[in-house]
Amino acid sequence: EPEVTQTPSHQVTQMGQEVILRCVPISNHLYFYWYRQILGQKVEFLVSFYNNEISEKSEIFDDQFSVERPDGSNFTLKIRSTKLEDSAMYFCASRKEGGLARQETQYFGPGTRLLVL
Amino acid sequence: RKEVEQDPGPFNVPEGATVAFNCTYSNSASQSFFWYRQDCRKEPKLLMSVYSSGNEDGRFTAQLNRASQYISLLIRDSKLSDSATYLCVVNFRYTGRRALTFGSGTRLQVQP
Repeated sequence: EPEVTQTPSHQVTQMGQEVILRCVPISNHLYFYWYRQILGQKVEFLVSFYNNEISEKSEIFDDQFSVERPDGSNFTLKIRSTKLEDSAMYFCASRKEGGLARQETQYFGPGTRLLVL
Repeated sequence: RKEVEQDPGPFNVPEGATVAFNCTYSNSASQSFFWYRQDCRKEPKLLMSVYSSGNEDGRFTAQLNRASQYISLLIRDSKLSDSATYLCVVNFRYTGRRALTFGSGTRLQVQP
């Protein structure tokens, strides 16, 4: 069964450093998402991406964040200058195009655990 | 008011028990509803979508009440492997948004 993959599984970085989190969505999916989950808290939406552009972003997704689909398979989240509060699990998700409930289903990758020191 | 609200639990139940979780959502324009399961430090995994007519998948039954804006999940004959956090998830469509909004989750611990 196809699945979303993410690399690295863990990343430790110093405050102020740039990090790039990588995702490979399911191959026939067209909508891509990044979510984050701070330890002990709920999953929060960051950004959605469709047709090579951001379709929506949350208030969390400020100018320090950017997303890119550099080729036909990868989807990346860049944090330009990390802060302590960026420490979280970052999940990538993807879904097919369509309006039916089953097509609304988003499939999540295993996550990247980011620790900012 | 939280967009999606759940009782955090934990629910501690013996094996074989029936347990029910409820969830309320704030936006009446919501259109898609899901239950996801999340194991400790893992990604959310879809348990089931929730349809207006209610739906069942083995030991799991989901119900949606649009008038009262709540969703329920019933687990029958609980197994040890059901121990996890159950996330109520809603897709709000009023802005054309396709992102999911998660509740904080209800933790279930099934005991032998």
